[in-house]
Amino acid sequence: NAGVTQTPKFRILKIGQSMTLQCTQDMNHNYMYWYRQDPGMGLKLIYYSVGAGITDKGEVPNGYNVSRSTTEDFPLRLELAAPSQTSVYFCASSLQGTGNTIYFGEGSWLTVV
Amino acid sequence: ELKVEQNPLFLSMQEGKNYTIYCNYSTTSDRLYWYRQDPGKSLESLFVLLSNGAVKQEGRLMASLDTKARLSTLHITAAVHDLSATYFCAVGRNNDMRFGAGTRLTVKP
Repeated sequence: NAGVTQTPKFRILKIGQSMTLQCTQDMNHNYMYWYRQDPGMGLKLIYYSVGAGITDKGEVPNGYNVSRSTTEDFPLRLELAAPSQTSVYFCASSLQGTGNTIYFGEGSWLTVV
Repeated sequence: ELKVEQNPLFLSMQEGKNYTIYCNYSTTSDRLYWYRQDPGKSLESLFVLLSNGAVKQEGRLMASLDTKARLSTLHITAAVHDLSATYFCAVGRNNDMRFGAGTRLTVKP
């Protein structure tokens, strides 16, 4: 019963490095999302996808890129990491349509030093 | 722009007491969610509210939605220690969803 799986769970990056956060879901959901959560704050939407081959910006997309080549996978790439990107990143997925539950992954803790 | 405000941000209550968390939002939306988050953990879906007057209950938690007032409430009845967590509301419009800052609830014996 995997649901939404994120890797890695923890990562320390140096300023200027790049990395990819992996996200995969096995529920055949067409909608997928990436959020970041700063300490003591709510979640902010980075990017989302309504299906394979379709992605769109959320509230805070700068410094990130995504792709959606398959229904299952939605990787998030950080280019030229900055301290402001230190955060917890959550991937999520849902079925199309309003009112459907959004399922979250366990989170990826990223520190940029 | 869709904005979401929760209050209070911090809530300390005694076991057995009742309290309400409020979630106000700035523009029309088509859905409202309540989530629970334990420290260092992911978000657990509690309720999805879709229409004006919607009320849902699960155990000691009851959520309601007033779309005309752009207000949702999460009511806690006879709190127990296990309810200690951070509660978020989130408001959706089209493909966008915005979260409140969260209410950190501590239930004391």
